[in-house]
Amino acid sequence: KAGVTQTPRYLIKTRGQQVTLSCSPISGHRSVSWYQQTPGQGLQFLFEYFSETQRNKGNFPGRFSGRQFSNSRSEMNVSTLELGDSALYLCASSWDISTDTQYFGPGTRLTVL
Amino acid sequence: KQEVTQIPAALSVPEGENLVLNCSFTDSAIYNLQWFRQDPGKGLTSLLLIQSSQREQTSGRLNASLDKSSGRSTLYIAASQPGDSATYLCAVLSGYSTLTFGKGTMLLVSP
Repeated sequence: KAGVTQTPRYLIKTRGQQVTLSCSPISGHRSVSWYQQTPGQGLQFLFEYFSETQRNKGNFPGRFSGRQFSNSRSEMNVSTLELGDSALYLCASSWDISTDTQYFGPGTRLTVL
Repeated sequence: KQEVTQIPAALSVPEGENLVLNCSFTDSAIYNLQWFRQDPGKGLTSLLLIQSSQREQTSGRLNASLDKSSGRSTLYIAASQPGDSATYLCAVLSGYSTLTFGKGTMLLVSP
């Protein structure tokens, strides 16, 4: 069974640009969550989608948004990039987040110059 | 707001030692607790999941316990090996779908 895949693996952008990251969950998983990991703040929850609906959102500005498609694939978008957005962005999937193990992808390393 | 603390922040042990990593959380209203390991520059690998109704889970040389009332969990690693070197993260699921992570314990097992 294929694991969680994230594309691209690495990105370099400049301030003010926007970026879209993609996550393909494990087949059959309906829940997809996104996290930001930085050395200073650690892992922080961004949002969670289940069957195309955003069920929960972390404490991030509106520049961070996401969506989930009918095949459970998910994208997150960051507009008007800031230097502080440089981080490893991780996506995780599960059948149901409230009861099941979260399986993480390898992450997308975003660098904002 | 849920807060998760992991102690110690870093740990260095010789191969073969048994060790304990600690995790504490402030709000006992959790659905489950998970332990993960993360290798440098990589994603997270799930080690153990403990539901709120359970007291412990075991997988190979790993044993995790959960005391929800006191807001504590421990991860016990038996007979440590150099391949166990990684950062270990504890995370609690609360607020239905919010997973809150600790800052992790960086473990180094020397041959």
